[in-house]
Amino acid sequence: AQRVTQPEKLLSVFKGAPVELKCNYSYSGSPELFWYVQYSRQRLQLLLRHISRESIKGFTADLNKGETSFHLKKPFAQEEDSAMYYCALRTGGFKTIFGAGTRLFVKA
Amino acid sequence: DAMVIQNPRYQVTQFGKPVTLSCSQTLNHNVMYWYQQKSSQAPKLLFHYYDKDFNNEADTPDNFQSRRPNTSFCFLDIRSPGLGDAAMYLCATSKSGWGVNTEAFFGQGTRLTVV
Repeated sequence: AQRVTQPEKLLSVFKGAPVELKCNYSYSGSPELFWYVQYSRQRLQLLLRHISRESIKGFTADLNKGETSFHLKKPFAQEEDSAMYYCALRTGGFKTIFGAGTRLFVKA
Repeated sequence: DAMVIQNPRYQVTQFGKPVTLSCSQTLNHNVMYWYQQKSSQAPKLLFHYYDKDFNNEADTPDNFQSRRPNTSFCFLDIRSPGLGDAAMYLCATSKSGWGVNTEAFFGQGTRLTVV
């Protein structure tokens, strides 16, 4: 079955601490993975995608096919990073499967 | 600003009374999607249009229909809303379904309440 799992509903860290939001996927084909973010009162928007292999707002994510993971990392969390983060898997064609999301709260 | 606009932001409808949610886009994207998101759950794809070609997800109830009269507009019709259809409905677009053009651009969503 095609599935995206984000094991943490809520992650709370202090400002300046490292943060890692976990994402695991289940898909037998070649996956295309994304992280989307939703800041308070804003629309869901793309943060980064694995094929771009770029760092956005200090966040990076590496696709690990062996562990079927695509964890999102940032070495030093900022208060403005507080948001809802969704991992998403595109399974070919037009279907994108989202995880249930992790709410990141960065404390001052 | 080019964007995806959903109207209304909040919709209250009566049990069993047909309701239509609207989405418009100024991005000139080929693909438009409708997602349903219930509280604390993942957004779930209901259907999508690639240009005029309509594609229904296998598990989307028959109660949900969609129309895309032109490139810019797409509508979600719920023929007989039940209490279980209360949710946030998200419209999204993408330029295409391939390569670097698969990024989805979302609207603000319409929160549907069924009374």
